[in-house]
Amino acid sequence: DADVTQTPRNRITKTGKRIMLECSQTKGHDRMYWYRQDPGLGLRLIYYSFDVKDINKGEISDGYSVSRQAQAKFSLSLESAIPNQTALYFCATSDPKRGEKLFFGSGTQLSVL
Amino acid sequence: GESVGLHLPTLSVQEGDNSIINCAYSNSASDYFIWYKQESGKGPQFIIDIRSNMDKRQGQRVTVLLNKTVKHLSLQIAATQPGDSAVYFCAENRVGGSNYKLTFGKGTLLTVNP
Repeated sequence: DADVTQTPRNRITKTGKRIMLECSQTKGHDRMYWYRQDPGLGLRLIYYSFDVKDINKGEISDGYSVSRQAQAKFSLSLESAIPNQTALYFCATSDPKRGEKLFFGSGTQLSVL
Repeated sequence: GESVGLHLPTLSVQEGDNSIINCAYSNSASDYFIWYKQESGKGPQFIIDIRSNMDKRQGQRVTVLLNKTVKHLSLQIAATQPGDSAVYFCAENRVGGSNYKLTFGKGTLLTVNP
């Protein structure tokens, strides 16, 4: 979805390195989310933010941190990457005034060696 | 069909046939359900949703059916086309929650044969 942009699209890094995944949106939505997708598993919520001053942990937040720099920007950091954080990461947005649908970016494939 | 805890099921259909993708949900208190389509290399894309006060909802070539008695959700795709090949996810939202309580199934891989 061109309105939710994730960078980079692919990243290979080494164990112990600090990594930041970035997400920006032009939808004007207040709510933003970070999900992780692993083969054979559904999408799992890492962190979510309902506005610039609001940050909440999801079901698998350990080893991750986030920053909501502006309404349009929400970044995910891995302070010290480990191999089991190898996954496909998705950013999503939603607007509660328009229902409960999530709008996803195209994803970032992260590989930790 | 699709259910939390199972390996990714697959469905193979011929072009032009109708497809039915199933999903079992676990929480009888869930009041909102969504179907997403994920094509290779892309993020999930919203297809259709339904609230628990409805049994059926139709979109363009797609219909979602909700059977609350047996906690079952299905997505029907009419006249399936090669472009429909993708992984399809159902998701449920729990009563009193908002998007952050959206729980996704593991998905069903639909392959459309020409």
